[in-house]
Amino acid sequence: DAKTTQPPSMDCAEGRAANLPCNHSTISGNEYVYWYRQIHSQGPQYIIHGLKNNETNEMASLIITEDRKSSTLILPHATLRDTAVYYCIVRAYTGTASKLTFGTGTRLQVTL
Amino acid sequence: DTAVSQTPKYLVTQMGNDKSIKCEQNLGHDTMYWYKQDSKKFLKIMFSYNNKELIINETVPNRFSPKSPDKAHLNLHINSLELGDSAVYFCATRRGVGGYTFGSGTRLTVV
Repeated sequence: DAKTTQPPSMDCAEGRAANLPCNHSTISGNEYVYWYRQIHSQGPQYIIHGLKNNETNEMASLIITEDRKSSTLILPHATLRDTAVYYCIVRAYTGTASKLTFGTGTRLQVTL
Repeated sequence: DTAVSQTPKYLVTQMGNDKSIKCEQNLGHDTMYWYKQDSKKFLKIMFSYNNKELIINETVPNRFSPKSPDKAHLNLHINSLELGDSAVYFCATRRGVGGYTFGSGTRLTVV
């Protein structure tokens, strides 16, 4: 799986959009970009994933550059409950042997 | 109705003991995993099972033995517990190319 690079930490004011960047310059054509978050000591929570096109769901939007070498997770209106560690993971779907490999992520602190 | 449930939530035990952690999922997913999160917060995959068959074993000591009695359950048995086994253990499931669903974790403390 391709390596990802994320800033170790970011701050965001409550109510503003949080834009979390991720670099994955060695991504292959069959690799997806996944975003997860872990709030305090809870289990990681799936947020969104995409291959080429931008994606949006009820939690967030995922913007993938045309060359697919980087992406941005957007939380449109961050709240205090969005304070968490956010993981960007690039993974090819290889059938039953697929696995998620977590890096160190970005610690997002949402403040009043 | 919790999608992926783990028991117990907390486990404190002495070195040398044998203990088990249970995981049950009601999502109907085919693949289940065990992850370990150590004190430095690194999440590492340990095992994965697909339809009761072991698929991934990430060089975990053989004191750790996963068992999948059926598609909905993946248990983790640990023999001769060591201090370094103290961590949070997460069970997870996956269907196809979609996202994983994680349990809430079992915090194991070996004293």
